[in-house]
Amino acid sequence: AQTVTQSQPEMSVQEAETVTLSCTYDTSENNYYLFWYKQPPSRQMILVIRQEAYKQQNATENRFSVNFQKAAKSFSLKISDSQLGDTAMYFCAFDSGTYKYIFGTGTRLKVLA
Amino acid sequence: DSGVTQTPKHLITATGQRVTLRCSPRSGDLSVYWYQQSLDQGLQFLIQYYNGEERAKGNILERFSAQQFPDLHSELNLSSLELGDSALYFCASSPTGNTEAFFGQGTRLTVV
Repeated sequence: AQTVTQSQPEMSVQEAETVTLSCTYDTSENNYYLFWYKQPPSRQMILVIRQEAYKQQNATENRFSVNFQKAAKSFSLKISDSQLGDTAMYFCAFDSGTYKYIFGTGTRLKVLA
Repeated sequence: DSGVTQTPKHLITATGQRVTLRCSPRSGDLSVYWYQQSLDQGLQFLIQYYNGEERAKGNILERFSAQQFPDLHSELNLSSLELGDSALYFCASSPTGNTEAFFGQGTRLTVV
């Protein structure tokens, strides 16, 4: 069975600092997609970043970047220059093309002023 | 705004009742997903439709059913409601079903 594990239930970071959220997954597929979603207190699910497994280059979106290690089945999210608005629940998600996204249990990130 | 519209935003109903949640996907998206998020939990995949056809099913209870209509909007029907069905129900859409999904704002269902 495909699983997604986020081992950090809660994290905090000082404003303007950098923080890394961890995610590991388990699959026997070779081609798949990985995502990080952000869920602020409003409960809206917002796509942060996406990575295709066949691409070796790590995805980057402004202050957000990933460290994708396919062999290790690891997909961490780095947030640089953290802002108060980054305070949210972050979910790692996996899709192998079976048409159902599998989500991790989330990491609650708090950015401190 | 993701472009995915869910109605209603909030719903309070009694145990044993039946409710219908509605989702309008982003313009042009053929794929619709439904997820359940219980309090402080992750998202549980319920079901996915692509262009009117059911494509994937998760741990969806038999009391729950869904469909996607010719105009691509989707409805999730929940019947014989129990207290444990109280949750945030999300709809998401994507163009083809294997790209990123865009989420609606969710329907918060409270069963009393």
